[in-house]
Amino acid sequence: AQSVTQLDSHVSVSEGTPVLLRCNYSSSYSPSLFWYVQHPNKGLQLLLKYTSAATLVKGINGFEAEFKKSETSFHLTKPSAHMSDAAEYFCVVSGSNNAGNMLTFGGGTRLMVKP
Amino acid sequence: NAGVTQTPKFQVLKTGQSMTLQCAQDMNHEYMSWYRQDPGMGLRLIHYSVGAGITDQGEVPNGYNVSRSTTEDFPLRLLSAAPSQTSVYFCASILAATGELFFGEGSRLTVL
Repeated sequence: AQSVTQLDSHVSVSEGTPVLLRCNYSSSYSPSLFWYVQHPNKGLQLLLKYTSAATLVKGINGFEAEFKKSETSFHLTKPSAHMSDAAEYFCVVSGSNNAGNMLTFGGGTRLMVKP
Repeated sequence: NAGVTQTPKFQVLKTGQSMTLQCAQDMNHEYMSWYRQDPGMGLRLIHYSVGAGITDQGEVPNGYNVSRSTTEDFPLRLLSAAPSQTSVYFCASILAATGELFFGEGSRLTVL
């Protein structure tokens, strides 16, 4: 069995300040981990992925995440928030294979960016 | 470079009506899935497929049917719509080697 917990359902930051969105996971396998972003009334778009290569993963739009096996975490960070980063973010973990039933979603974190 | 195409984008149904949400992908992915997204509930898996002719139930399959006659197409059928099926539906294809999901733009369904 596997699970994903996004520790904050809502995060609010000021423009230009750092962003931290937290994701913890549990898995019996060596998982792949993903962050997706969903802007209002849009589909989900891949931000970045960890697939057992480098533990520090860089994604689009200045986001990065670090896979920490000892802490079972995959937190998403960005040094300086932009108004366009306001969206919902989902952490996803894969299981023994990558079929639909083996991909587990976190509950999502809504990021709000204040001017 | 179409990726995953979902239709329709919006639909209003009356209780008891049937309809099909269409999903097509052009990436030759074997794995595909349907999700529904409701406020505060995240994304929940309805049905999934691991190849043409092979489908299985996800977390919330009741009231929905799927088929996978070709690799490209994975339609979702509502046989008798209920207000509880008011939701936003997403189709996704999956790169089997990594688990990366490629989503359609979503279909917003309202059942009155």
